[in-house]
Amino acid sequence: SQKIEQNSEALNIQEGKTATLTCNYTNYSPAYLQWYRQDPGRGPVFLLLIRENEKEKRKERLKVTFDTTLKQSLFHITASQPADSATYLCAALGGGSYIPTFGRGTSLIVHP
Amino acid sequence: DTAVSQTPKYLVTQMGNDKSIKCEQNLGHDTMYWYKQDSKKFLKIMFSYNNKELIINETVPNRFSPKSPDKAHLNLHINSLELGDSAVYFCASSQDMRNEQFFGPGTRLTVL
Repeated sequence: SQKIEQNSEALNIQEGKTATLTCNYTNYSPAYLQWYRQDPGRGPVFLLLIRENEKEKRKERLKVTFDTTLKQSLFHITASQPADSATYLCAALGGGSYIPTFGRGTSLIVHP
Repeated sequence: DTAVSQTPKYLVTQMGNDKSIKCEQNLGHDTMYWYKQDSKKFLKIMFSYNNKELIINETVPNRFSPKSPDKAHLNLHINSLELGDSAVYFCASSQDMRNEQFFGPGTRLTVL
């Protein structure tokens, strides 16, 4: 069955460093990958979308890559700030169906 | 202006009761969704409607019945509530299945 896997352990980093979160997919060839941010007690908020024919996408301090050979997407936050602390969710779509499949999310904690 | 709104925000009820959660979006989107997020934060799609037509119906007990009276509304009715139904339920909308989703604030359902 289709699987989206994100590191379930929290990622702790120091303010100013680059945070890198991983999303791996198996038994699946998604056409799109999306990244969302979720704060406690709130709904997910869309951040970036990347298509399978795009290697990289940027938005301000955020960068997403899509490697169809490794079946992986990396999400980077440069110059991280404590306000970036949240759970980040990866979602895959396409590849035969547009049923969105979410990963479990990775918690990012940025220490001042 | 709230883009995707849900009511109620909290719902506490006894096993066996029937309850409804309402969702409205003012973004003019064609597609709406219901998700369930369990205690392990796993976000799983339940239903999706496109222009009031059901297009996704993932393995959900038939005690759950979505209803879309118009494109801007997607309500969720749950019959004979069980303990395992306790979770946070999110409504979302998107322009179409390939685009980013906008999530509501969630409804925390607790079944006692």
